[in-house]
Amino acid sequence: AQRVTQPEKLLSVFKGAPVELKCNYSYSGSPELFWYVQYSRQRLQLLLRHISRESIKGFTADLNKGETSFHLKKPFAQEEDSAMYYCVTTGNQGGKLIFGQGTELSVKP
Amino acid sequence: GAGVSQSPRYKVAKRGQDVALRCDPISGHVSLFWYQQALGQGPEFLTYFQNEAQLDKSGLPSDRFFAERPEGSVSTLKIQRTQQEDSAVYLCASSSRGQGRSYEQYFGPGTRLTVT
Repeated sequence: AQRVTQPEKLLSVFKGAPVELKCNYSYSGSPELFWYVQYSRQRLQLLLRHISRESIKGFTADLNKGETSFHLKKPFAQEEDSAMYYCVTTGNQGGKLIFGQGTELSVKP
Repeated sequence: GAGVSQSPRYKVAKRGQDVALRCDPISGHVSLFWYQQALGQGPEFLTYFQNEAQLDKSGLPSDRFFAERPEGSVSTLKIQRTQQEDSAVYLCASSSRGQGRSYEQYFGPGTRLTVT
């Protein structure tokens, strides 16, 4: 079954430091992978998807099929990046989302 | 335009009571999903509608959980004879496309259910 694993529940960094949120997946076939983010008192929202290969708010994520990873990276963290981040994949049909447990990112001044 | 809305935002139920949670998706969105998020966990899929058809209910944890979307718009998730383990945030999401393609899901604010 499809599964995503986020090994860190909490990641704390200082402003300006690089940040990497780890995600590993298990999937049979070609996975679709996303990062969703939830800022304090806001609803869950899409941050980026691997198909787009885009950079959003300075974040990038590269799909590494050899390591089955989809780590989220940003070279210089900002305080406004503090949020809960979820690595997400899709089920076999219907587009249902399968979430990791989430990593809380705390960026300290 | 308006996003996905859910009501009530908070619900406290005594064990054994029935509850009904409502979701208003973005107008015109074909797909509607329900997720359950326990404290400290990521959301977990419950059920999926494409228009009024419930195409996947594999995530519903027991037959006490029932969902409907009779006119292909508003959806209601009903939980009968609530138990303490049902305490969670229930999230609704909608998407503009149908089965087989993954498009961005837009989430509502959630309903926090507490069963005492």
